[in-house]
Amino acid sequence: QQQVKQSPQSLIVQKGGISIINCAYENTAFDYFPWYQQFPGKGPALLIAIRPDVSEKKEGRFTISFNKSAKQFSLHIMDSQPGDSATYFCAAKAAGNKLTFGGGTRVLVKP
Amino acid sequence: NAGVTQTPKFQVLKTGQSMTLQCAQDMNHEYMSWYRQDPGMGLRLIHYSVGAGITDQGEVPNGYNVSRSTTEDFPLRLLSAAPSQTSVYFCASSYSIPGGQYNSPLHFGNGTRLTVT
Repeated sequence: QQQVKQSPQSLIVQKGGISIINCAYENTAFDYFPWYQQFPGKGPALLIAIRPDVSEKKEGRFTISFNKSAKQFSLHIMDSQPGDSATYFCAAKAAGNKLTFGGGTRVLVKP
Repeated sequence: NAGVTQTPKFQVLKTGQSMTLQCAQDMNHEYMSWYRQDPGMGLRLIHYSVGAGITDQGEVPNGYNVSRSTTEDFPLRLLSAAPSQTSVYFCASSYSIPGGQYNSPLHFGNGTRLTVT
């Protein structure tokens, strides 16, 4: 049973559109929520991360929104570009040493 | 600066064979970990280490062994390969515990694609 549930599994968006990926969790002890981006044939790389004391964090075209009461967080990719086509993973960590990942979302941005 | 290096890139094993997946990092990172990636399952933690001589189990440790004799190397051993171990394996390292007080990101290698027939 996955502790972090990610949706959708795949997403197609037109160039310039907004990509939205959602994650939900149950463990209220989670205190760190990163997003990783993975291109084909490569390992994932950290994109952006948030802690539960803030509701939103923006880095360029990428924004994390965090809803502590709903136990949900999401990644918004604004003005999506073909170069954003990748698989995105949300993750969460409680006190301790284990980072738990969601199932991943494959994003395809059509030109 | 090589980062995290995994070898081999591809491997085919027969059921029952054993092998070692190699992982080395040149960033002097204390934390190292192994994940497996399967479609729809995301990345699942197999084993991790917070420093030389210290290892611990992750979510799916059965069938795998690790050791950490140096800061740089963290090999993953498959004792008796099974078809259920067909997967892509990623090694990752970070300066300290990911998401800890230093907000250390995980640095991943490019993976080893393993097929067990």
